[in-house]
Amino acid sequence: ILNVEQSPQSLHVQEGDSTNFTCSFPSSNFYALHWYRWETAKSPEALFVMTLNGDEKKKGRISATLNTKEGYSYLYIKGSQPEDSATYLCAFDGGGSNYKLTFGKGTLLTVNP
Amino acid sequence: DTAVSQTPKYLVTQMGNDKSIKCEQNLGHDTMYWYKQDSKKFLKIMFSYNNKELIINETVPNRFSPKSPDKAHLNLHINSLELGDSAVYFCASSQDEVGLTNEKLFFGSGTQLSVL
Repeated sequence: ILNVEQSPQSLHVQEGDSTNFTCSFPSSNFYALHWYRWETAKSPEALFVMTLNGDEKKKGRISATLNTKEGYSYLYIKGSQPEDSATYLCAFDGGGSNYKLTFGKGTLLTVNP
Repeated sequence: DTAVSQTPKYLVTQMGNDKSIKCEQNLGHDTMYWYKQDSKKFLKIMFSYNNKELIINETVPNRFSPKSPDKAHLNLHINSLELGDSAVYFCASSQDEVGLTNEKLFFGSGTQLSVL
């Protein structure tokens, strides 16, 4: 059973604050690490797919880093806005023709105006 | 246009009934999936299909039977519903197989199933 852990489970920040959270995953048989943003009453939407150790991806105020050797990824949000409030999911892809991702439970971010 | 659409959004039914959830994607993707959000809020894979062929069946009870009439559709039929089947079910698709490429998933909006 693959273990994908996210911390913290939930987070409250003030508008304008920068924040980050963590995804831990197995460091062996790594193929890719996905980040998804899931707003309440909507579908999860892909933010990043990261494959290389040391990879950094950026989309607007959101960025992510990847360390495959130690098995973690950080998601950063700079200058949080209320519309950033969502659950942020990471998902581990161990590769191979198995067509599946193993998801973490997510970090619920609430940005207070 | 919704890329991945699933119906119904809510489904309330009695134990023992048979029900179906439909999923359609208009993205031209080859691979479709069913995920279940369990009681601990994890999204867990149930099935995946690639070009209408079953690829993954994650030890789901055989009361659950996916059907893919064409690569744009993957429907989930559930027989003899049990209380423990209550959950949110998500359909998803990707251009190619997650696990061999860097494909990301496109999700439907979920179907909340309540078995009474």
